[in-house]
Amino acid sequence: QQQVKQSPQSLIVQKGGISIINCAYENTAFDYFPWYQQFPGKGPALLIAIRPDVSEKKEGRFTISFNKSAKQFSLHIMDSQPGDSATYFCAASMRGYSTLTFGKGTMLLVSP
Amino acid sequence: DSGVTQTPKHLITATGQRVTLRCSPRSGDLSVYWYQQSLDQGLQFLIHYYNGEERAKGNILERFSAQQFPDLHSELNLSSLELGDSALYFCASSVATALGNEAFFGQGTRLTVV
Repeated sequence: QQQVKQSPQSLIVQKGGISIINCAYENTAFDYFPWYQQFPGKGPALLIAIRPDVSEKKEGRFTISFNKSAKQFSLHIMDSQPGDSATYFCAASMRGYSTLTFGKGTMLLVSP
Repeated sequence: DSGVTQTPKHLITATGQRVTLRCSPRSGDLSVYWYQQSLDQGLQFLIHYYNGEERAKGNILERFSAQQFPDLHSELNLSSLELGDSALYFCASSVATALGNEAFFGQGTRLTVV
């Protein structure tokens, strides 16, 4: 049973455009929602994270939007750049448990 | 650089063989997590150790085992290898923050079973 569903699988965006990646979760016990960025040949690295008591969090060009009632959250990358081309994973974990449940990832390509 | 070290970076072995993957967590981190990354399954949690003790098990096969040593490094042992075990294996350590546990991943070991 996949507890975190991520879409789309892949995404092509023009430079300067907005990239949007969506995730939905099932387990209402999840209370920590990070996004990870992974470049080829590297391990995932934390990009931005949010807790469910906040509806939006912005860090630079990256914004998480969170809809607790719909059990959905999304990553928006504003003014997307070729250097943002990577695989993005949403994840979730429960209070008291530190292990992460990941979505299947979105491969983002930002064309110059 | 996350501070998490994994060796080797690449491993090619034959079916039926046994391999050992090694991980050193960030200095000061007591936790080690192992994840398997494959194209069709994404990142799957395998097992979590904290200060030498097993804390949680995920989708880890019985042919796989792990341990964490007193110096906090960890080893993941994969035996009776099958073609389907070919994947990237990541180790992570974590630190508690105000938001939650932030995980730091190593660069991974790419295992190819032929």
